[in-house]
Amino acid sequence: AQSVTQLDSQVPVFEEAPVELRCNYSSSVSVYLFWYVQYPNQGLQLLLKYLSGSTLVKGINGFEAEFNKSQTSFHLRKPSVHISDTAEYFCAVRIPDSNYQLIWGAGTKLIIKP
Amino acid sequence: DAGVTQSPTHLIKTRGQHVTLRCSPISGHKSVSWYQQVLGQGPQFIFQYYEKEERGRGNFPDRFSARQFPNYSSELNVNALLLGDSALYLCASSQTTGSNQPQHFGDGTRLSIL
Repeated sequence: AQSVTQLDSQVPVFEEAPVELRCNYSSSVSVYLFWYVQYPNQGLQLLLKYLSGSTLVKGINGFEAEFNKSQTSFHLRKPSVHISDTAEYFCAVRIPDSNYQLIWGAGTKLIIKP
Repeated sequence: DAGVTQSPTHLIKTRGQHVTLRCSPISGHKSVSWYQQVLGQGPQFIFQYYEKEERGRGNFPDRFSARQFPNYSSELNVNALLLGDSALYLCASSQTTGSNQPQHFGDGTRLSIL
């Protein structure tokens, strides 16, 4: 069975500093990987996805993520955060060519300190 | 274009009652999925519908049911409500059921059980 682990429940960081949100997954087969963001009192918005090809994926709002197959990781990064990045970030996986749904991590709250 | 719309935004019910939540997908999207997000956790998959047929079901009791209409909108019904059903219920739509298709989420219905 597949699982997703987000190692940090909260990450505090100063404004304009870089940030990395960690995501590790467990799967015996290849997976598609996604990062979603959830702003307070809103639904989930897709940040970026990895399906195949280049392991460095660029998304919206200046975020990027790198797929590392050997370490089964898909960490999310941003070189300089802004107060508007305050939100909860979710990593999710899905098995290609199957009806299996997204399997989600527990989320990481990004807290931007002024 | 309008995104995924859900109604109502908030709902308060008491134990034992039933509830119906509604979702309208993005125009042109034929697949609708429902998720339950308990506070502090990632979403849990409940159902997926495509072309009015159930295509996937998560590990939820039979008190949970859903349907999809010819215009691709969907309803989620929950009977005999329990305190543990208090959560944010999210609807997501995609063009098809393909596992590489990103899901687009509504802002959710926050259900509180007293």
